[in-house]
Amino acid sequence: EVQLVESGGGLVKPGGSLRVSCAASGFIFSSYTMNWVRQAPGKGLEWVSSISSSSSYIYYADSMKGRFTISRDNAKNSVYLQMNSLRAEDTAVYYCARGSVPAAGIDYWGQGTLVTVSS
Amino acid sequence: AIRMTQSPSSFSASTGDRVTITCRASQGISNYLAWYQQKPGKAPNLLIYAASTLQSGVPSRFSGSGSGTDFTLTISCLQSEDFATYYCQQYYSYPQTFGQGTEVEIK
Repeated sequence: EVQLVESGGGLVKPGGSLRVSCAASGFIFSSYTMNWVRQAPGKGLEWVSSISSSSSYIYYADSMKGRFTISRDNAKNSVYLQMNSLRAEDTAVYYCARGSVPAAGIDYWGQGTLVTVSS
Repeated sequence: AIRMTQSPSSFSASTGDRVTITCRASQGISNYLAWYQQKPGKAPNLLIYAASTLQSGVPSRFSGSGSGTDFTLTISCLQSEDFATYYCQQYYSYPQTFGQGTEVEIK
């Protein structure tokens, strides 16, 4: 059974940093592109970042470039999102999500971890 | 970035209705489009990919069509468990983008 379990969310002050993690199980992690998608309270889905299976290709949404860094450790079956210079508008549930193979959307999602940016 | 626009943003329907949701891309995306269903407090669930291919385990009352810039999601006979919010997503190019969502409410 595919499982994606996020952790590391919490309350952080504006300008602060936070790293969220995602532990994957139930599939060959090193074969899949992984994504982060977020959802602000009461709002729609927003794609954040993707990292290819071997970390060769990395992409970010424009509003997160230079502030967020995605990485992965295939030996630990984990993907991470380092978030710096956080703003109130970054407050959201952050979902870890697996890209389907061949590329055809996102086929599995974690339960999400809430990041709240507030003073 | 490619902009995805869904219509309507919300509507009310009754069990048994046939409903259609539209998604328009700001530029051609071939058939690189997915549809998701999301219920309150839950993660999204993939319904359709490649514009018209049903994800394994998804009921056959869901169908998708379209190519290029215009796409539709149809639910042929709305069930009580289908009241939710639906999102389209393009994965033709990065940054990937979602539509703003369509909430299907009970009439």
